[in-house]
Amino acid sequence: QQQVKQSPQSLIVQKGGISIINCAYENTAFDYFPWYQQFPGKGPALLIAIRPDVSEKKEGRFTISFNKSAKQFSLHIMDSQPGDSATYFCAATNSGNTPLVFGKGTRLSVIA
Amino acid sequence: SQTIHQWPATLVQPVGSPLSLECTVEGTSNPNLYWYRQAAGRGLQLLFYSVGIGQISSEVPQNLSASRPQDRQFILSSKKLLLSDSGFYLCAWSTRGLSEKLFFGSGTQLSVL
Repeated sequence: QQQVKQSPQSLIVQKGGISIINCAYENTAFDYFPWYQQFPGKGPALLIAIRPDVSEKKEGRFTISFNKSAKQFSLHIMDSQPGDSATYFCAATNSGNTPLVFGKGTRLSVIA
Repeated sequence: SQTIHQWPATLVQPVGSPLSLECTVEGTSNPNLYWYRQAAGRGLQLLFYSVGIGQISSEVPQNLSASRPQDRQFILSSKKLLLSDSGFYLCAWSTRGLSEKLFFGSGTQLSVL
């Protein structure tokens, strides 16, 4: 199955809190797992990505945790800020010319 | 640097009218090109992708078609729009053989009335 299941659909976090978004995949051939961030009225943009040879990748306040055996990966946003309010998409692919498979998205709202 | 142009930004069309959305990429050669639709501001539905001129893969059978007349030009068309065609249409590109990193355009908000 070429599905990526993402949860939750929406998330409200207090400013300064930790936002956590989870994704699960089925295809064990997937070898690249990116997260995209989309602001209203804009196209998504690549935020951070990970390959299955590492269990964690951190870029600033954004961290991907990857569990190969469970076929799950998650995005953690530390010290969440109102400017982080956006829709986040996880995705997966087995590279080459195969298009990314996207999750359904999580709408994050960070409130002060 | 590479840039992607997508127009128009917004479009209001009556049911049954034709559609043509154009997307062009600059600063790269032989890109993979994609059309996505996003309904109700949520999920990204892949409509078409192309790995070369004249090569179109359709992911979802529907009222739309795509063409790639030039290496860096991708066109989304419809002969007769339906109400259900309303949505946010996004064009994207990736390096040939590296579909993992997508670069999206700014999108077209299509309202079919």
